[in-house]
Amino acid sequence: DVKVTQSSRYLVKRTGEKVFLECVQDMDHENMFWYRQDPGLGLRLIYFSYDVKMKEKGDIPEGYSVSREKKERFSLILESASTNQTSMYLCASSFWIRGAKNEQFFGPGTRLTVL
Amino acid sequence: ELKVEQNPLFLSMQEGKNYTIYCNYSTTSDRLYWYRQDPGKSLESLFVLLSNGAVKQEGRLMASLDTKARLSTLHITAAVHDLSATYFCAVDVYNNNDMRFGAGTRLTVKP
Repeated sequence: DVKVTQSSRYLVKRTGEKVFLECVQDMDHENMFWYRQDPGLGLRLIYFSYDVKMKEKGDIPEGYSVSREKKERFSLILESASTNQTSMYLCASSFWIRGAKNEQFFGPGTRLTVL
Repeated sequence: ELKVEQNPLFLSMQEGKNYTIYCNYSTTSDRLYWYRQDPGKSLESLFVLLSNGAVKQEGRLMASLDTKARLSTLHITAAVHDLSATYFCAVDVYNNNDMRFGAGTRLTVKP
């Protein structure tokens, strides 16, 4: 079974703090993704990575950065947390096969509250 | 830009009834996915639809894809309470590395 784990299920931070969300997958997947999920908005892609040290902006990258130093780990960084970043954050990974990407496997999510 | 629309966003149905959730998307895509999310939980993959006319079934759920109409449907047959969840469709962005999700359909099945 594919396993995608996230470092925290619940996190409470204060405005202006630097926040690190960690994601680890154990299936040697090339692609990793960070989404945020808000009621009525579905999942919105923040950043994704298709290889170590590679990253691409998604739809809503402002206020976030990412790091992928190892294939299995993809970190989301909030440089200076703000209250509008209170959300559920979901990490996902997927693999390439015959040049096409496949379904994404999701972690359990981190519910972040910024006070 | 690829847009994905799901209808309806909220669905309340009686046990034993049938219903269909629709997923429309705006541009050419390689493939389409359906996911289920239970409250407080993450997303679980249900179906991967790879080509025009693809149909997949698992229990009381059946998904189909019409790439010409840019439409996928998720049909629920004889609903049971255990199917209560939020269902998302997601569409691959053609020639790109990511995908776009619909807003989700929150299904409640009442006894």
